[in-house]
Amino acid sequence: EVQLVESGGGLVQPGRSLKLSCVASGFTFNNYWMTWIRQAPGKGLEWVASITNTGGSTYYPDSVKGRFTISRDNAKSTLYLQMNSLRSEDTATYYCTSPAYWGQGTLVTVSS
Amino acid sequence: DVVMTQTPVSLSLAIGQPASISCKSSQSLLGTSGKTFLNWILQRPGQSPKRLIYQVSKLYSEVPDRFSGSGSETEFTLKISRVEAEDLGVYYCWQGTHFPLTFGSGTKLEIK
Repeated sequence: EVQLVESGGGLVQPGRSLKLSCVASGFTFNNYWMTWIRQAPGKGLEWVASITNTGGSTYYPDSVKGRFTISRDNAKSTLYLQMNSLRSEDTATYYCTSPAYWGQGTLVTVSS
Repeated sequence: DVVMTQTPVSLSLAIGQPASISCKSSQSLLGTSGKTFLNWILQRPGQSPKRLIYQVSKLYSEVPDRFSGSGSETEFTLKISRVEAEDLGVYYCWQGTHFPLTFGSGTKLEIK
C-alpha cells in the first residue's frame, strides 16, 4: 500500500522558518518526481515545489521562489520542504504528492 | 501561467443522475512528448485529494468505470455516468504540462 506521511507542520511566527518532511512507502520512491502542493483554509490547491527523481532539478512558482527549498533523500524515501521567511499567506495545509498519490497533509499556520 | 477554468462551480444531483464538469485551459496542454498532462482529482469533505484520471482519459485502477474523461488541447470534460453517494466532494482539474503547475478552482458536487 502506498503511503505518504507528512510531518513538521505547526504554528510559526512571520519571518521564521519551518521544515516539512514526507516519508514515502509502498512504491519505488527514487523513480518518481515529487511535489508539494498546499491548500489555504477553505481555498483551492496551489503548487509549491517539484523535484526530479534524482533531486538534480527543482522547480518553484514565483510565490515561494527564493524562500522555499525542496529536497529529497532517496536512501530514506523522504521528501523535504524547507520554508524560510514565512508569511501569513503561507498558512495552509501542505500535501506531499507523487503526484498520483497524496498524503494526508500537515497544517502550517503563520501568525504572531 | 496557464489558467484553468472549471465550470460549473457547483452541482446538485440525485443519485443515479449523470454529471459533467468542464475544464478549459488558457493554452494547449499538449506537451512536446505528445502527451497531454491533464488530470482530475476528487477531494471529499475533510480529506486529502484522491486521484481519479490522468492524461485526459486514463482512469486509475481503483476508480469506478462510471467515471470518464475526454478532451484535447484546451477543452476537457469529466463525466460521471450515474452519480453515487460516495462521489460527493470537490473535483479539481490540474495541468502538469507547463510550469507553474496550475489547478482549476474546483467544482463542488452535492447529492440531493
